[in-house]
Amino acid sequence: AQSVTQPDIHITVSEGASLELRCNYSYGATPYLFWYVQSPGQGLQLLLKYFSGDTLVQGIKGFEAEFKRSQSSFNLRKPSVHWSDAAEYFCAVGYGSSNTGKLIFGQGTTLQVKP
Amino acid sequence: SQTIHQWPATLVQPVGSPLSLECTVEGTSNPNLYWYRQAAGRGLQLLFYSVGIGQISSEVPQNLSASRPQDRQFILSSKKLLLSDSGFYLCAWRGTSILTEAFFGQGTRLTVV
Repeated sequence: AQSVTQPDIHITVSEGASLELRCNYSYGATPYLFWYVQSPGQGLQLLLKYFSGDTLVQGIKGFEAEFKRSQSSFNLRKPSVHWSDAAEYFCAVGYGSSNTGKLIFGQGTTLQVKP
Repeated sequence: SQTIHQWPATLVQPVGSPLSLECTVEGTSNPNLYWYRQAAGRGLQLLFYSVGIGQISSEVPQNLSASRPQDRQFILSSKKLLLSDSGFYLCAWRGTSILTEAFFGQGTRLTVV
């Protein structure tokens, strides 16, 4: 069955430090991959997406992610974290054909930023 | 541009009472529509999705149901709420091409007491 795993439930980094959030997926074909961010009590905002082509994708707010097919991973990175990056981050995978369009999310990783 | 509206923002309901959460999308036609529930520590769980009017797919057995009476309207319902129905409910829409992301409403915080 298709699944998305975010191994780290909670991560704490110091402001200015680098960040990497892990995401692994399970799917037989080429997945369509997304990273979303959620501020407390709010909906989700898209950070970046991967459909095909260059495996390193750039997103908003200085985030990037790299698709590694051999590792079934799509890890999110940021070189220098800002206090405003504290939020919950979700990795998601799109499955199915155009007329089903199922979108499955991981459990989320809560990022805390220390001053 | 496309927008998604979800209401109410917060709701406190007694156990055994009915539920109706509504979601509408503007600026697009024939979207795929989704209801997710977010419980503490459990991420986003897909509850229902719909690819057209009257077409509902249920992902998990539960006390809830969904309906799509119009192309851009998606409703989440329950006849009798349980305590376990408490959570943060998110509606989302996505274009018919698989090469698109989903756009989310602001969510409804449901507390069943």
